[in-house]
Amino acid sequence: DAGVTQSPTHLIKTRGQQVTLRCSPKSGHDTVSWYQQALGQGPQFIFQYYEEEERQRGNFPDRFSGHQFPNYSSELNVNALLLGDSALYLCASSLGQSIGYTFGSGTRLTVV
Amino acid sequence: GNSVTQMEGPVTLSEEAFLTINCTYTATGYPSLFWYVQYPGEGLQLLLKATKADDKGSNKGFEATYRKETTSFHLEKGSVQVSDSAVYFCALSVWDMRFGAGTRLTVKP
Repeated sequence: DAGVTQSPTHLIKTRGQQVTLRCSPKSGHDTVSWYQQALGQGPQFIFQYYEEEERQRGNFPDRFSGHQFPNYSSELNVNALLLGDSALYLCASSLGQSIGYTFGSGTRLTVV
Repeated sequence: GNSVTQMEGPVTLSEEAFLTINCTYTATGYPSLFWYVQYPGEGLQLLLKATKADDKGSNKGFEATYRKETTSFHLEKGSVQVSDSAVYFCALSVWDMRFGAGTRLTVKP
């Protein structure tokens, strides 16, 4: 049974560009949460999607947006990339409001 | 808002030493509490959890007790191994999961 799958694993972008990261949740899970983990820091909550809608949002600017598809997979979009957006982006899935989060291995984004 | 504060690292121990990593929390409502572990180049793995006051979570020799009176969830292990070297994150969940800054543990043979 596949866990959470994220793609791509690594990505290099230039300042000002836009990026899309993808996440497929664990089988049976319907909720996807996204986190940004800067080097040497803890994961910071970006937002959570459930039933194709953003349910919760952390303290991130509108440049960060997302989407959830009917098959529960999700995308994270970041516009107008800044050097400070360089980080590991983690996706976690869960079933509804359950506390059973499963994390993917992340996408390492480098902005140059 | 909901937040977690955990002991700053790095922590370096010899094999078979006793480990404590402190974690305190601030939350509205009744959070669930977690410890996650992250190995180099990997995502986060759930180590243990507790969902209500006085619950003890345990896994692989690690333990933590949910203390509502001190708003704490300290991680302990009686005898660490080299393979326990990793970064440990304390986290809480009310509506979403919030993490501490992480504590890097290095265990030397």
